[in-house]
Amino acid sequence: DAGVTQSPTHLIKTRGQHVTLRCSPISGHKSVSWYQQVLGQGPQFIFQYYEKEERGRGNFPDRFSARQFPNYSSELNVNALLLGDSALYLCASSGRQGNTEAFFGQGTRLTVV
Amino acid sequence: EDQVTQSPEALRLQEGESSSLNCSYTVSGLRGLFWYRQDPGKGPEFLFTLYSAGEEKEKERLKATLTKKESFLHITAPKPEDSATYLCAVGVKRDSWGKLQFGAGTQVVVTP
Repeated sequence: DAGVTQSPTHLIKTRGQHVTLRCSPISGHKSVSWYQQVLGQGPQFIFQYYEKEERGRGNFPDRFSARQFPNYSSELNVNALLLGDSALYLCASSGRQGNTEAFFGQGTRLTVV
Repeated sequence: EDQVTQSPEALRLQEGESSSLNCSYTVSGLRGLFWYRQDPGKGPEFLFTLYSAGEEKEKERLKATLTKKESFLHITAPKPEDSATYLCAVGVKRDSWGKLQFGAGTQVVVTP
């Protein structure tokens, strides 16, 4: 079975632009969470979706938004990019509603110039 | 305020030299504690979940333990392929199910 897949793997954007990152969870998993990881730090929680509804939101500005589709895949959108948004964006999927094991994708490396 | 602190920040070991990593936490209502391994430029790889004090889990050269205030990841007779950053994370009962709070990680380098 395929693990969590994210696209693209790398992305370079200019300040002020918009970006969309995509995630496909493990087959059968209904929960998707998004994290931001800045170099040298642990991942920071952005959003969690379960059964297509937002179930949790971290301390990020409204420029960050996300959604989950009927097939449980997910998109993370970031508007008006800032230099400080440069980071590794990670998607994690879980099999059920609960703090059970979360399995991460390889991430999308976003560089804002 | 919830806190997850890992120590040391970095650890350099000779092959075969056993050691332990520490994850101390201050949270209100622990749901579970998670250990991950992360290689450079990659996503975290799940290792263990611990739910209650006294619980232990093992996988190859790794063993994780949990008390009411901290968790240890013991690396026995490490090999160079154990070099990675090890992250611990906690799930808190009042948070949404998907929210994990991570420590900053311990970077482990094992030399031959």
